[in-house]
Parts: sequence; C-alpha cells; structure tokens
Amino acid sequence: AQSVTQPDIHITVSEGASLELRCNYSYGATPYLFWYVQSPGQGLQLLLKYFSGDTLVQGIKGFEAEFKRSQSSFNLRKPSVHWSDAAEYFCAVGAGSSSASKIIFGSGTRLSIRP
Amino acid sequence: ETGVTQSPTHLIKTRGQQVTLRCSSQSGHNTVSWYQQALGQGPQFIFQYYREEENGRGNFPPRFSGLQFPNYSSELNVNALELDDSALYLCASSLKTGGLSGNTIYFGEGSWLTVV
Repeated sequence: AQSVTQPDIHITVSEGASLELRCNYSYGATPYLFWYVQSPGQGLQLLLKYFSGDTLVQGIKGFEAEFKRSQSSFNLRKPSVHWSDAAEYFCAVGAGSSSASKIIFGSGTRLSIRP
Repeated sequence: ETGVTQSPTHLIKTRGQQVTLRCSSQSGHNTVSWYQQALGQGPQFIFQYYREEENGRGNFPPRFSGLQFPNYSSELNVNALELDDSALYLCASSLKTGGLSGNTIYFGEGSWLTVV
C-alpha cells in the first residue's frame, strides 16, 4: 500500500540557518511527489511537485526537493529560513489510477523558527 | 488565492446531527476531491467526484456522501455525526486530463467542523 513517512514531528531552526525536512514514501510505481505547506488555520499551499525528469525540483519561496529513488526519499530543503517559514509541512504522494487520482499525505512536520 | 472557496468556514454541530459543507471549484476545473484533516494529522482522502459521479473513495463509511453539480461545485454531506468527525474538511479541485501528471491540484482553506 502507498504511504508517506515524515519521521520528524517537530523541528526548530534558527532564522537564517539551513533546513532539511525528511520524507520517505512507499509506492510501487513511479511516484508523483508533492510538498505542501499549511500555516495555522489555513488551507494547503503547494510548494513543489515532482512527476519526472530532473530529480532536483525547485519550488516557491526558495524551497527545493530532491527525489532519490534508491532511498525512496523526497527531502525538502531551504538554504536560509525566514521567520515566515514557520508552519506545518506535508509531504505527499499521488496514488491511484488516472481515473481516480488521490493524494496520500504524511503526518506532517511542524517547523518553528528561533529568532 | 487558489480560486477554491469553501463554506462555511467554521461550524459547530451536535452528535447525531447532519452537516453539509460546500465547495466552489476553480474556474474550468471538472474534478473535486474532499479530504478530512483531524487535529495534528495529515489530510486523508474521502472521495473524488468527476463529471457529477463519484470517482474513487477512501476508507470512510457511507454516512459520508457527496454531490457534484453541473457547474462543478460540490457538497460533502455527513450524516449521524460522531465526535471523531471533528476536523478540518478540505476541498481540492483539478482538471482531469489523465491523472496527476501535469495537473495542479488546488486546495481551499477548509471548513472547520466541531462536533459536541
């Protein structure tokens, strides 16, 4: 069965420091992978997505993610975080046939920023 | 702004009651999906509608049902509410052109349901 694991429930980093959020997936075929961000009380905003091609994907707000098939990972990175990056981050995998596509989310990583 | 609007934003219901949540898709999108996000968890897929028919369902009981209208707006109905139904309900719209490849899925800001 398809699944997504985000091993870090909560991460705190200092403003200006680099960030890496971990994500591992389980999916039998070529995965469609996503990272979403959710600010408190808000909906989900797509940061970036991977379907095929270059394994290093650039997203909005200075985020990037690297797809590593051998490790079944899709880690999210940012070289220098800003206080406004504090939020909940969800890794997700697209699943299902083309006629009933759904997204399976991980349980999320809460990011706090230390001034 | 994703162009996906949901209503109401917050509501409180009593156990055993019924609730209807509404979603207006982004213009031109013909597919809508609903997700339930319990506190502290990731969203879970409830079901998807395409051209007014259910087109995939997650692990939710039949008391969760939906509708999609000719203008592609949608409703989520939950009967016999239980305390565990308290959650954020998210609507997502997309344009089905053969699956997730190349499609962008847009989420609304959700409807917060509290069951007491």
